[in-house]
Amino acid sequence: AQSVSQHNHHVILSEAASLELGCNYSYGGTVNLFWYVQYPGQHLQLLLKYFSGDPLVKGIKGFEAEFIKSKFSFNLRKPSVQWSDTAEYFCAVNALTNNDMRFGAGTRLTVKP
Amino acid sequence: DGGITQSPKYLFRKEGQNVTLSCEQNLNHDAMYWYRQDPGQGLRLIYYSQIVNDFQKGDIAEGYSVSREKKESFPLTVTSAQKNPTAFYLCASSIDLALASAREQFFGPGTRLTVL
Repeated sequence: AQSVSQHNHHVILSEAASLELGCNYSYGGTVNLFWYVQYPGQHLQLLLKYFSGDPLVKGIKGFEAEFIKSKFSFNLRKPSVQWSDTAEYFCAVNALTNNDMRFGAGTRLTVKP
Repeated sequence: DGGITQSPKYLFRKEGQNVTLSCEQNLNHDAMYWYRQDPGQGLRLIYYSQIVNDFQKGDIAEGYSVSREKKESFPLTVTSAQKNPTAFYLCASSIDLALASAREQFFGPGTRLTVL
């Protein structure tokens, strides 16, 4: 089964700084890739997803992620973070040959105003 | 207003008691899931169900049981056999597991279970 690694457990940035959160997975076949966000006290919600096609995907709130197949990575980026981006971010991978979704351990982002 | 509802939001139980967490969806999704979220461990899959009257164990099914008698409902029972039940439990659904493009999961608000 596939596994997912998120290398940063807690990231602290000042407003307007650029963000990159790492996500690597281990699986040799075709995958669907997702980034979810959990704002304090709110539901887990989808930021963006990759199924096929252009490896650079754009999501809500100015986030984007790039799928690099050769590196088994799907890093999340945002050029300029805001205080309201403070949340926990989860990378998830679904292998097309099985039915379960694997989540990373999550990265907590704190943006200082 | 479509979505997933979980009740209650907070639940307390005494050690040795079984407790059932509710999950209902009105999205007409075929697949439903239960996850457990612990700090620093992300989401771990407990059970999932692709269709009514069918469900599969996830990575940490021991001490848990589920049923799927109706498409919109997927209750989770935390039994007294679960050694460390205090956690945040999330229910999710997706349109259809057969279609790769339909596997995006939608989540409920969660239930925080505390065993006293």
